[in-house]
Amino acid sequence: DTGVSQDPRHKITKRGQNVTFRCDPISEHNRLYWYRQTLGQGPEFLTYFQNEAQLEKSRLLSDRFSAERPKGSFSTLEIQRTEQGDSAMYLCASSLGLNTGELFFGEGSRLTVL
Amino acid sequence: AQSVTQPDIHITVSEGASLELRCNYSYGATPYLFWYVQSPGQGLQLLLKYFSGDTLVQGIKGFEAEFKRSQSSFNLRKPSVHWSDAAEYFCAVGAGSGNTGKLIFGQGTTLQVKP
Repeated sequence: DTGVSQDPRHKITKRGQNVTFRCDPISEHNRLYWYRQTLGQGPEFLTYFQNEAQLEKSRLLSDRFSAERPKGSFSTLEIQRTEQGDSAMYLCASSLGLNTGELFFGEGSRLTVL
Repeated sequence: AQSVTQPDIHITVSEGASLELRCNYSYGATPYLFWYVQSPGQGLQLLLKYFSGDTLVQGIKGFEAEFKRSQSSFNLRKPSVHWSDAAEYFCAVGAGSGNTGKLIFGQGTTLQVKP
């Protein structure tokens, strides 16, 4: 399967713990996106990378959140000192850059904070 | 500020019936518009997109959408629904200048198909 893959698919953690999600985009895609989706809502943009450069971060991405894409391939999203409000599905998507308009989404990583 | 409204949270149609899902957007310039579908346990998949040109766009799985600037709408249609179309549908608009892939999504419409 050469689609976008995310790991883990489901993470249950206690409040205050740190969690990290990994995303492997489609190999030739230079853009990578993170979105967050809560129950009954549409996805909300968090951040995106072009190659290894993080080009934009949403105000939703508090100081406890950090995303990296060190070699322009896979990306990680870390949440420090998790809060119950962080419980959501974290979606990763990739694209081939400008003007295609099509994001390819992974199946998501569901975070449950107890 | 840019926004997307999907007025219908939940729609039920009979198999074989026609379908129209509504989408209204708020955007100052010519928008980039998209419809995505999310089936249980699967990632979002692009159905169709509008950038410019012909206001009636064709997508995958027999879907089409019409861009109406005067109504700020981009409604999704299908002439005959199949049971496999049951899913959640999201309308989205490209945010910011250019097509960066930063999208603003609507709340979504859940489609149920009756046999």
